[in-house]
Amino acid sequence: GAGVSQSPSNKVTEKGKDVELRCDPISGHTALYWYRQSLGQGLEFLIYFQGNSAPDKSGLPSDRFSAERTGGSVSTLTIQRTQQEDSAVYLCASSLARDSEAFFGQGTRLTVV
Amino acid sequence: AQSVTQPDIHITVSEGASLELRCNYSYGATPYLFWYVQSPGQGLQLLLKYFSGDTLVQGIKGFEAEFKRSQSSFNLRKPSVHWSDAAEYFCAVAGYSSASKIIFGSGTRLSIRP
Repeated sequence: GAGVSQSPSNKVTEKGKDVELRCDPISGHTALYWYRQSLGQGLEFLIYFQGNSAPDKSGLPSDRFSAERTGGSVSTLTIQRTQQEDSAVYLCASSLARDSEAFFGQGTRLTVV
Repeated sequence: AQSVTQPDIHITVSEGASLELRCNYSYGATPYLFWYVQSPGQGLQLLLKYFSGDTLVQGIKGFEAEFKRSQSSFNLRKPSVHWSDAAEYFCAVAGYSSASKIIFGSGTRLSIRP
C-alpha cells in the first residue's frame, strides 16, 4: 500500500479481554515502531523492530504487552487482560533506514470498558 | 539512553506573529533530530530533520530549526504563523546506531489567536 496501515481503526473491549492490533508497514521498510498516545499526552515508545535484529522491547509497560513482526513485514501488538489504563491510541510507524523519515499510520483507538 | 524535553506544554500566539518552540535533548553523541506535527484528527507528519551538516535546517510549511550542540537544543521557528498552524508539535531524537529507536518529547500544543 501507499502508507502505513493499521487495523482496526477503533476497538472497544471489555476489561480483562485480550486484543490484537495490526500494522502493515510500507513495503521495504526495515524499521517498525509502536507508540502509545494517551489523551493529551505525548508519544510513549513501546517497541522497535529493525531488520532481523532482536526487537527493542524496553518501552513495553508490562508483561501483558507483546509484539511480533512476521517475515519482516506485518506486526501485531497484543495486549492481554486489558485494563482501563490501556485505553489510548496505538500508533505504528515504519522507516526505510536510520536516516529516513518515519511514516505513521492513523492509529488504533483502543477503549477498555 | 536518549530523551527529549519540550518545556512548553501550550503556547498561544497571534496570527502573523513569529513562533519558537523549544526542544532540548539528551544523547551521548550527535543525534538525529526531528520535528513532527499532528493536526487535529490527522496523523503525524514530518516537518524537518537534522542528521549532519548545516545546523539550520529548512522544512515544510515555512518552518526551520537550528541545532545547537552547546545547548543540546533543536528549537523550531517560523517567522509568521498562520491559523492553519494550530496543532501539536513533537520533537524527537534518535541515535546513529541502527539499534537506536526514535524517542519523542511530550509535545507542545500551539493555538493561534485571530
